[in-house]
Amino acid sequence: NAGVTQTPKFQVLKTGQSMTLQCAQDMNHEYMSWYRQDPGMGLRLIHYSVGAGITDQGEVPNGYNVSRSTTEDFPLRLLSAAPSQTSVYFCASSSSLLWTGLATGELFFGEGSRLTVL
Amino acid sequence: KQEVTQIPAALSVPEGENLVLNCSFTDSAIYNLQWFRQDPGKGLTSLLLIQSSQREQTSGRLNASLDKSSGRSTLYIAASQPGDSATYLCAALFSGGYNKLIFGAGTRLAVHP
Repeated sequence: NAGVTQTPKFQVLKTGQSMTLQCAQDMNHEYMSWYRQDPGMGLRLIHYSVGAGITDQGEVPNGYNVSRSTTEDFPLRLLSAAPSQTSVYFCASSSSLLWTGLATGELFFGEGSRLTVL
Repeated sequence: KQEVTQIPAALSVPEGENLVLNCSFTDSAIYNLQWFRQDPGKGLTSLLLIQSSQREQTSGRLNASLDKSSGRSTLYIAASQPGDSATYLCAALFSGGYNKLIFGAGTRLAVHP
């Protein structure tokens, strides 16, 4: 049972570099999302997708790009890394959606990608 | 503004104690509320999901309740064990908007032998 798989687990970048965090799920979930977790702030939604070809912004989208070409994959791109993007990033998926795109069911999380930007 | 608050931020208890973790939210118009467990360096694992029409959910030694009128949810852990040591987060899915799943900052629980 792979569930939600994130790569890489750790990454160090220099300011201005770009990179892509990969997320794949094998549960045929329509809903996928990216969160960042910072100390004392809980998790905040960056971007989400309700199906292949459909993405939208969450609470903190600036500096990040996403695309959803397949049901399984939802990569997160950092366009020009900044120290403020140092964080732990989590990908999550869910099978349950309302027609509005509201993910109503249980969320399944990957193990996280720890990113440090120097 | 829709917010979710968890108090206390940290809790240390002896093994065998029954304990309650608290989660409060500012808007009663929620669709559901989830409780998660997070071990150090790991992702989140869903423990219980309570729909707005439900009052509580149970799984093994865990029981979660939901009171929308008071804006509160509690996670009750019976007969705590050292293996229960982790951070527990609650997240409320607020109605009326796209994917407004708001997380609390979590309660870090330590159960000592």
